[in-house]
Amino acid sequence: DAKTTQPPSMDCAEGRAANLPCNHSTISGNEYVYWYRQIHSQGPQYIIHGLKNNETNEMASLIITEDRKSSTLILPHATLRDTAVYYCIVSRGGSQGNLIFGKGTKLSVKP
Amino acid sequence: NAGVTQTPKFRVLKTGQSMTLLCAQDMNHEYMYWYRQDPGMGLRLIHYSVGEGTTAKGEVPDGYNVSRLKKQNFLLGLESAAPSQTSVYFCASMDMGLPKNTEAFFGQGTRLTVV
Repeated sequence: DAKTTQPPSMDCAEGRAANLPCNHSTISGNEYVYWYRQIHSQGPQYIIHGLKNNETNEMASLIITEDRKSSTLILPHATLRDTAVYYCIVSRGGSQGNLIFGKGTKLSVKP
Repeated sequence: NAGVTQTPKFRVLKTGQSMTLLCAQDMNHEYMYWYRQDPGMGLRLIHYSVGEGTTAKGEVPDGYNVSRLKKQNFLLGLESAAPSQTSVYFCASMDMGLPKNTEAFFGQGTRLTVV
């Protein structure tokens, strides 16, 4: 599975949009981009995933560049409860790949 | 619907002791995983299973064994615990791969200390 690069930490003001970048320049054509987050010491929580089109759900939006070498997770209105470590993962998924976690981005939402 | 349940939540072992961590899921998922997480690190994959009766090695399998005798359960064993195995262990499950790959569901973790 391809590797990803994320900034180690970011700050965001409460109520503002949080934009978390991820670089995956070696992604292959059948690999998906997944985002998970881990709040404090809890188990990771799925946020969103995509292949090449932009995706949106009730939690976040995922913007994938046309060349698929990078993506951005957008939390439109960050709250204090969004403070967590966010992991960007690239994988074929299913039986052809596993979720391999890097160190992620520690997002701190401040009042 | 309980999701993914890990037992126990906390454990302290002496070096050389053995133990088994239990992961149970009630979502009829085919895929199950064991990860470990050390302070300040991301999760590292220990072993995984793509169905009942199957297991495979992940990134850091040494010192661990697993079994998947029943679809809903995935057991992680430490035969002779070492201080280097002090960590938080997470179990996860995932449905079979669909045309669009689906999300993994994680348990709340087992905090293991080996002294």
